[in-house]
Amino acid sequence: GDSVTQMEGPVTLSEEAFLTINCTYTATGYPSLFWYVQYPGEGLQLLLKATKADDKGSNKGFEATYRKETTSFHLEKGSVQVSDSAVYFCALSPSGGGNKLTFGTGTQLKVEL
Amino acid sequence: DTGVSQDPRHKITKRGQNVTFRCDPISEHNRLYWYRQTLGQGPEFLTYFQNEAQLEKSRLLSDRFSAERPKGSFSTLEIQRTEQGDSAMYLCASSLGGSTTGELFFGEGSRLTVL
Repeated sequence: GDSVTQMEGPVTLSEEAFLTINCTYTATGYPSLFWYVQYPGEGLQLLLKATKADDKGSNKGFEATYRKETTSFHLEKGSVQVSDSAVYFCALSPSGGGNKLTFGTGTQLKVEL
Repeated sequence: DTGVSQDPRHKITKRGQNVTFRCDPISEHNRLYWYRQTLGQGPEFLTYFQNEAQLEKSRLLSDRFSAERPKGSFSTLEIQRTEQGDSAMYLCASSLGGSTTGELFFGEGSRLTVL
């Protein structure tokens, strides 16, 4: 079945540091890929998405590129802020339409001054 | 607030009791999903509805769990004879049918603690 593997946390960075959170997936065909973020005390919200190979999703300074050849969708940000502290989830929806999402286990990010 | 709302936000119950959670999706969304999230894990799919029809159920959804969406608007998730292993955050999400990108809009969740 479909699965998503992401790097374990917590990840602790200083403000303005470069962020990478690794995500790889296993799925048949061409799934859509997502990063969701969960801020403390809030619900999951979509951060960015990519629906086909080589697409780059971007939002709020975060980027991720859909790499079919390496089955990866790594999340990056050039300069993190304290307000980016949250839990980040990589997820996929199957080819042909999104009936349900399969999530990774989440990576907690803590950004310090 | 026009987002997905869930009630109650927290529920503490004793083992063996029944509990019910309610989800009100975004009004124009015809798809509604239930997920379960335990500590340190990502959300796991339980079931989903398109309008009032329950189209898919996960094997995680034992016979003690039942979900309904009687009028294609709000949904309820009932757990009968709760067990300590049912302790988790129950998440509801909604989406527009016909979307091919799978974007879901989540509520803040209902946290269940079974003593």
